[in-house]
Amino acid sequence: EVHLLESGGGLVQPGGSLRLSCAASGFTFSSYSMSWVRQAPGKGLEWVSSLSYNGVTTYSADSVQGRFTISRDSSRDTLFLQMNALRADDTAVYYCAKRSNLGAFDYWGQGTPVTVSS
Amino acid sequence: EIVLTQSPGTLSLSPGDRATLSCRASQSVSSSFLGWYQKKPGQAPRLLIYGASSRATGIPDRFSGSGSGTDFTLTISRLEPEDFAVYYCQQYGSSPFTFGPGTKVDIK
Repeated sequence: EVHLLESGGGLVQPGGSLRLSCAASGFTFSSYSMSWVRQAPGKGLEWVSSLSYNGVTTYSADSVQGRFTISRDSSRDTLFLQMNALRADDTAVYYCAKRSNLGAFDYWGQGTPVTVSS
Repeated sequence: EIVLTQSPGTLSLSPGDRATLSCRASQSVSSSFLGWYQKKPGQAPRLLIYGASSRATGIPDRFSGSGSGTDFTLTISRLEPEDFAVYYCQQYGSSPFTFGPGTKVDIK
């Protein structure tokens, strides 16, 4: 059974940094692209960033480009999101998601909340 | 960037009703790369439909997807109590992999 477990969220001041982790199990992690998606309070889903199965190709939303970095460690079956220069509008629940071979986001974690506030 | 628009914003229906949700794209989306997700408060999003019309694993057959080009539809043939939620369409063919703003299906 596929399982994704995010961690690392919390309260951080504007301008600060956080590193989110997503521990994967139940599938061959190194064979699949992975993504981060967020949902701000009272808002819809917003795609944040995606990373190819081999860690070579990354895609990021304009809103996080230059501030957030997605990476993976296939030896630990873990996906990361390094978030720097955090702003109040980055406050959201952050979900990691596995991408299927056809590209859809087929499995999701339960999310980790990030609050950016002074 | 492909912008997705969903309508209506809210759909008020009763259990047993048929729900028809629309997703329109600002430019053509390959049908292979259009998905629908269900989101309930406090829960992870759930993939319902991929490739515009294929049901994901474990999704009941009352959920169906159709459409091509710029117009796509999610239909729930007979609403069950657990179907009241927010539904999002997403295109995942070209970055940024945008979501629509969502349609809330609530109980009338």
